[in-house]
Amino acid sequence: GQSLEQPSEVTAVEGAIVQINCTYQTSGFYGLSWYQQHDGGAPTFLSYNALDGLEETGRFSSFLSRSDSYGYLLLQELQMKDSASYFCAAQTINTNAGKSTFGDGTTLTVKP
Amino acid sequence: DTEVTQTPKHLVMGMTNKKSLKCEQHMGHRAMYWYKQKAKKPPELMFVYSYEKLSINESVPSRFSPECPNSSLLNLHLHALQPEDSALYLCASSQSSSTNEKLFFGSGTQLSVL
Repeated sequence: GQSLEQPSEVTAVEGAIVQINCTYQTSGFYGLSWYQQHDGGAPTFLSYNALDGLEETGRFSSFLSRSDSYGYLLLQELQMKDSASYFCAAQTINTNAGKSTFGDGTTLTVKP
Repeated sequence: DTEVTQTPKHLVMGMTNKKSLKCEQHMGHRAMYWYKQKAKKPPELMFVYSYEKLSINESVPSRFSPECPNSSLLNLHLHALQPEDSALYLCASSQSSSTNEKLFFGSGTQLSVL
């Protein structure tokens, strides 16, 4: 089966940097995505890694180490609006099709 | 147009009712998905359609019946649901199922089964 682990909660202050880790155990793995979801909203795509290394998209960066089955999302210059749930999602593929399996999510609270 | 549109936004139904959830995208995506999400939980995959064919069914009970009439539309037919089926039902699309690293989600249908 597939399993992804991430911390359940993280708290940080405005302007700070926070890192949300994700470890995974999946078969047929080919990439790791990150999504943000505000209360009452839909998940929105933030970042994706298929290869080892860092991908930077504005204030958000994501990292992947395939050998360690580990990735993280880095949020810089935190703003109050970044308070949300963050999910890592592993892409896997089998003979039928590809799919994304989500971790349990990390609730980020940004304080003034 | 980078939107996935879901209707209705809210639905209350009894256990003997039949209802349908609808999803539409006009991004030319060839893969569409149904996810179920309970409060404070991650989205759980239910079905994957790839090029209008059902390619993954995650052992979903038969009281949920998906349908993909064409490449832009995805329906989820509901019949004889249980109260534990109350959840947010999310539709998503991607360019293809093999490139599903970027899913576009609709805003969901909040379903309550009484």
